[in-house]
Amino acid sequence: GAVVSQHPSWVICKSGTSVKIECRSLDFQATTMFWYRQFPKQSLMLMATSNEGSKATYEQGVEKDKFLINHASLTLSTLTVTSAHPEDSSFYICSARGLAGDLAKNIQYFGAGTRLSVL
Amino acid sequence: QKEVEQDPGPLSVPEGAIVSLNCTYSNSAFQYFMWYRQYSRKGPELLMYTYSSGNKEDGRFTAQVDKSSKYISLFIRDSQPSDSATYLCAMIMDSSYKLIFGSGTRLLVRP
Repeated sequence: GAVVSQHPSWVICKSGTSVKIECRSLDFQATTMFWYRQFPKQSLMLMATSNEGSKATYEQGVEKDKFLINHASLTLSTLTVTSAHPEDSSFYICSARGLAGDLAKNIQYFGAGTRLSVL
Repeated sequence: QKEVEQDPGPLSVPEGAIVSLNCTYSNSAFQYFMWYRQYSRKGPELLMYTYSSGNKEDGRFTAQVDKSSKYISLFIRDSQPSDSATYLCAMIMDSSYKLIFGSGTRLLVRP
């Protein structure tokens, strides 16, 4: 099956520092990658959508200067939380959508998530 | 009104029970339907995906879609403690790329 690797799984940082999270599709090429945020006992909230080689599309209310997304290749997307503050502490999850097939194009495969704690 | 409604639970059942999880939706443009399982502090794992109305079976899992009623279900037979997780329904329109999630139902299967 399709595997999405996300790293790191857990990161603790000091307030004001920046944190980079990587998302890789290991066995397929991802035309589109997605970044979600999830608070405890809540569903996933889409933050942004990134297509390889183009600028990310951010959802309403998400600060693009704070959450920098780079999608440099068909297998790698990164999310950088800049100048992190305690309110940015959350669970961040990436997903990737594949290239081929009528149904496959609509399926998102998720990474294991990154737990960010900002002190 | 949310586009996708899902009872948050928690739903507690004894081991071996048949579990029924459900979602309703309001937008008839949704064409693809998925069920994801999410363990605590992990990413969602795709369990089932369907396109048309009817049933789709995979092992102990059966996904059911009724587009006329805008209602989808996931049945788990012979439930196991390892099935304890949050189950998220998700759906997507043919013209879009965004997954619309339900709020998730927490399931606890008691040994």
